[in-house]
Amino acid sequence: DQQVKQNSPSLSVQEGRISILNCDYTNSMFDYFLWYKKYPAEGPTFLISISSIKDKNEDGRFTVFLNKSAKHLSLHIVPSQPGDSAVYFCAASATSGSRLTFGEGTQLTVNP
Amino acid sequence: DVKVTQSSRYLVKRTGEKVFLECVQDMDHENMFWYRQDPGLGLRLIYFSYDVKMKEKGDIPEGYSVSREKKERFSLILESASTNQTSMYLCASSFGGAVGNYGYTFGSGTRLTVV
Repeated sequence: DQQVKQNSPSLSVQEGRISILNCDYTNSMFDYFLWYKKYPAEGPTFLISISSIKDKNEDGRFTVFLNKSAKHLSLHIVPSQPGDSAVYFCAASATSGSRLTFGEGTQLTVNP
Repeated sequence: DVKVTQSSRYLVKRTGEKVFLECVQDMDHENMFWYRQDPGLGLRLIYFSYDVKMKEKGDIPEGYSVSREKKERFSLILESASTNQTSMYLCASSFGGAVGNYGYTFGSGTRLTVV
């Protein structure tokens, strides 16, 4: 039972363009959503988060959008840079929970 | 700089060996987790711990056990390593209670190959 799904295993964009990574969830109890970025041979690092009381959160080049009715969130990176090339994981948790449920990850490649 | 440290970056073990993966955090976090990462499957939770000597099964505990004798240390044990346990193993920690917006801090991972 995959409660958090990232349907695109990979995404390729040109430097300077927008990258949009998508994530869907099924568990209505989830109310915190996080994005992690992972380079090869390193652990994931926290990128940005959003709680269900908001529909948008922005941090520099990174913006996360949450559509609760559709149980969908997306991460926008603009402008994309070659250093953004990494695997991006979407994760979710419930208010009362202390564990994160992760998606499968999306490999983003930003071409110079 | 706060850290989660995994003792080995790369390990090669033989089938049937008992394998210990060690993880230490210096943030006084209550919660610690072991995940494995496999292509197309994302991060899957093996075991987690809310407190010293406490442990809970995650989604894929079969073939694994854990030990948490001290707050800062969480060990993953492969009782009898098999080739299907070849994977990237990631340790993480977090403050107690709901994870909320704060999430986890991850270690750098251990790439385990079982031959």
